[in-house]
Amino acid sequence: GDSVTQMEGPVTLSEEAFLTINCTYTATGYPSLFWYVQYPGEGLQLLLKATKADDKGSNKGFEATYRKETTSFHLEKGSVQVSDSAVYFCALSPNSGNTPLVFGKGTRLSVIA
Amino acid sequence: GAVVSQHPSWVICKSGTSVKIECRSLDFQATTMFWYRQFPKQSLMLMATSNEGSKATYEQGVEKDKFLINHASLTLSTLTVTSAHPEDSSFYICSARDVGFSMNTEAFFGQGTRLTVV
Repeated sequence: GDSVTQMEGPVTLSEEAFLTINCTYTATGYPSLFWYVQYPGEGLQLLLKATKADDKGSNKGFEATYRKETTSFHLEKGSVQVSDSAVYFCALSPNSGNTPLVFGKGTRLSVIA
Repeated sequence: GAVVSQHPSWVICKSGTSVKIECRSLDFQATTMFWYRQFPKQSLMLMATSNEGSKATYEQGVEKDKFLINHASLTLSTLTVTSAHPEDSSFYICSARDVGFSMNTEAFFGQGTRLTVV
């Protein structure tokens, strides 16, 4: 079945450091790919998405490119801030009807000043 | 984007009582909603798929009689934790997808409900 694998955390970075969180997927067909962010005590918020190969999703300085050849959707940000501290989830949407998204296990990011 | 509202955001109840959590899609119709449970510092665990006008589909290992799901309208699904015990304490999150135009749409999440059973 479809699956998402993302790098284990926690990740601790200093403010203004470069961030990469790796995400790879296994799926049949051509899924849409997403990154969600969860701040403490809250639900998940969509951070960015890409619906087809070579699409780049971007939001709030974060970017991820849908790489079909490597089945990857790595999240990057050039300069992280303390306010970026959260848990980040990579997810895919199977092309099989109104089904739940398939999530990775999440990566906890802590940014220190 | 679409909005999913979940209520209450937190609840404390006594062991043996039941708690109802509501999930509403505010600006779209959701024939299907999803209920998740999240343990501290862990990922989301899908509990069940709530289908409007029919029975919910539960994931393996989830007790149907413990976690009652009702999806009586296109904008409301409820999860009732019956005879709650301390081990039911957790963070519960609902989500829905607005699939009016495309299946390749993101899921929208409620704010989550922190349940503490004492």
